[in-house]
Amino acid sequence: GIQVEQSPPDLILQEGANSTLRCNFSDSVNNLQWFHQNPWGQLINLFYIPSGTKQNGRLSATTVATERYSLLYISSSQTTDSGVYFCAVPRKYSGAGSYQLTFGKGTKLSVIP
Amino acid sequence: DAGITQSPRHKVTETGTPVTLRCHQTENHRYMYWYRQDPGHGLRLIHYSYGVKDTDKGEVSDGYSVSRSKTEDFLLTLESATSSQTSVYFCATRGTGEGKLFFGSGTQLSVL
Repeated sequence: GIQVEQSPPDLILQEGANSTLRCNFSDSVNNLQWFHQNPWGQLINLFYIPSGTKQNGRLSATTVATERYSLLYISSSQTTDSGVYFCAVPRKYSGAGSYQLTFGKGTKLSVIP
Repeated sequence: DAGITQSPRHKVTETGTPVTLRCHQTENHRYMYWYRQDPGHGLRLIHYSYGVKDTDKGEVSDGYSVSRSKTEDFLLTLESATSSQTSVYFCATRGTGEGKLFFGSGTQLSVL
């Protein structure tokens, strides 16, 4: 199946700094999603990106499907941004199997005051 | 976010006992998923459903079964729990059109 790799695995930032998280995938996809898991374990969908760039406040995400990667930008980081960020892509196969999503192992972000 | 309720939120059980986790959604989403999350492995798909009575296996389905008799409910059953099934279990749903995935709050399961 498709392989999803995220980097870096861990990231420590001073509050106010900017960061870029990367998600590489091994096969062509027609969409990608980014999630944030907060320190209490809740998983929140940040972006659903068929292609191109989306922005939501201090966060933005860009997917370059032809080069098989996506980037999540966090600007002016806050302590509430701490947690683990996951990307997920659908399997390539047609039919019901194409609705399975494969997750990367995540980037753990710690924002220090 | 979608209204997804998982129950129970926490459960401790003994090896060999059956366990059923419930996922209830109020968004009329077609697709429902069960994932488990373990340190070092991230989120792995156990089973998923693409409609009432339509289910299929994910990558870690051994030892698990599922049922979906109504659009809003998706049950995950551990027929005979083992210690290796100690994990956090997440239910997720996805609508037909946009494809955005939404998660429930998770169930912490400990098998002793």
